[in-house]
Amino acid sequence: GAVVSQHPSWVICKSGTSVKIECRSLDFQATTMFWYRQFPKQSLMLMATSNEGSKATYEQGVEKDKFLINHASLTLSTLTVTSAHPEDSSFYICSAILGHTEAFFGQGTRLTVV
Amino acid sequence: AQSVTQLGSHVSVSEGALVLLRCNYSSSVPPYLFWYVQYPNQGLQLLLKYTSAATLVKGINGFEAEFKKSETSFHLTKPSAHMSDAAEYFCAVSEDSGGGADGLTFGKGTHLIIQP
Repeated sequence: GAVVSQHPSWVICKSGTSVKIECRSLDFQATTMFWYRQFPKQSLMLMATSNEGSKATYEQGVEKDKFLINHASLTLSTLTVTSAHPEDSSFYICSAILGHTEAFFGQGTRLTVV
Repeated sequence: AQSVTQLGSHVSVSEGALVLLRCNYSSSVPPYLFWYVQYPNQGLQLLLKYTSAATLVKGINGFEAEFKKSETSFHLTKPSAHMSDAAEYFCAVSEDSGGGADGLTFGKGTHLIIQP
């Protein structure tokens, strides 16, 4: 099946710094990618829809200035958590859409802000 | 608006026993339904999906699910549990057959525990 890779798998950063997470579709092009956030022992919550060449669409309650999304190419979307705080610590997962047939998920990135 | 309810945050079964994970959905349009499995610190892997072709859907690793419109349910089953089935399972709903148009709406997940 198609492969989606996230990098890094885990990251620890200091409060106030920014962290960039990459989501790559390795063997297919994805016009649309999604970013989800998962709190411990909870479900995935959709944060935003990332469309290649256009601005991301954010879900209600998600701060677009805090979670910057860039989908500069058909194989790469990035999520930058700006001025990170401990409450931003979470598991972030992306998915890339192959055609309109299936969503493929990355392995996730565990962010810890200290 | 769509929603998914997974009954039971934790389910424990003995190795070799039947696995039943419950999922009920709410959707204003004919839904597309998915089951995903998540192993610790990993992303999600698609087990199976319902796209209206057949009400009984067979997936990977011996899992299957049956779509029951009258009960708005899409329960996941496996006849005989293996230790390797221990993981978190998520039911999800979408208005798009590929789960791609507007993203997926997930249930809260069910942690499956397999006892030796």
